[in-house]
Amino acid sequence: GENVEQHPSTLSVQEGDSAVIKCTYSDSASNYFPWYKQELGKRPQLIIDIRSNVGEKKDQRIAVTLNKTAKHFSLHITETQPEDSAVYFCAASSSPRGTYKYIFGTGTRLKVLA
Amino acid sequence: GAGVSQSPSNKVTEKGKDVELRCDPISGHTALYWYRQSLGQGLEFLIYFQGNSAPDKSGLPSDRFSAERTGGSVSTLTIQRTQQEDSAVYLCASSYGGTDTQYFGPGTRLTVL
Repeated sequence: GENVEQHPSTLSVQEGDSAVIKCTYSDSASNYFPWYKQELGKRPQLIIDIRSNVGEKKDQRIAVTLNKTAKHFSLHITETQPEDSAVYFCAASSSPRGTYKYIFGTGTRLKVLA
Repeated sequence: GAGVSQSPSNKVTEKGKDVELRCDPISGHTALYWYRQSLGQGLEFLIYFQGNSAPDKSGLPSDRFSAERTGGSVSTLTIQRTQQEDSAVYLCASSYGGTDTQYFGPGTRLTVL
């Protein structure tokens, strides 16, 4: 079945450094890739997304890159701040039989050390 | 406008009891999803509703789980004869269409004793 692998599972960086989280998907038909941030005890919040007709998208300190050939996409956070500490989930939209469900990665716990 | 809401926020039940979890999607959103998040884990797809189409139930883990969506809006996820392994946070999400961004509710934390 469809699968999304996410690495690393935990990531600690010094404040001001960059963080990179990588995901690989299996369904070559996937065409939408959102990233969610989930703070402790809160709902997942969309932070950035990318569609398969685009290779890169940037929003202030956050960027996402997509390599369709290799079937992987990455989240880049620059100039990290303590409030960036959270669990980040990648997802790939898989649409078998018209169901646009998300297949989520297992999450990356990011700790930004002050 | 109002986001996705879920109730109750917390539910503690005894093994073997039935529970109902409710989701109110964003007004106008035609697609509704249920996911399950076990402690420290990712989000596991359970079921998907889109308009008047038959739901995709392919993610439901057993026949103890069922869901319905009345009037194309509110959805109820029912777990019969709950087991301890059902303990998790159950998240609902909605989107304007099947291909659009999903917005999540705050979840219901279910604890089965």
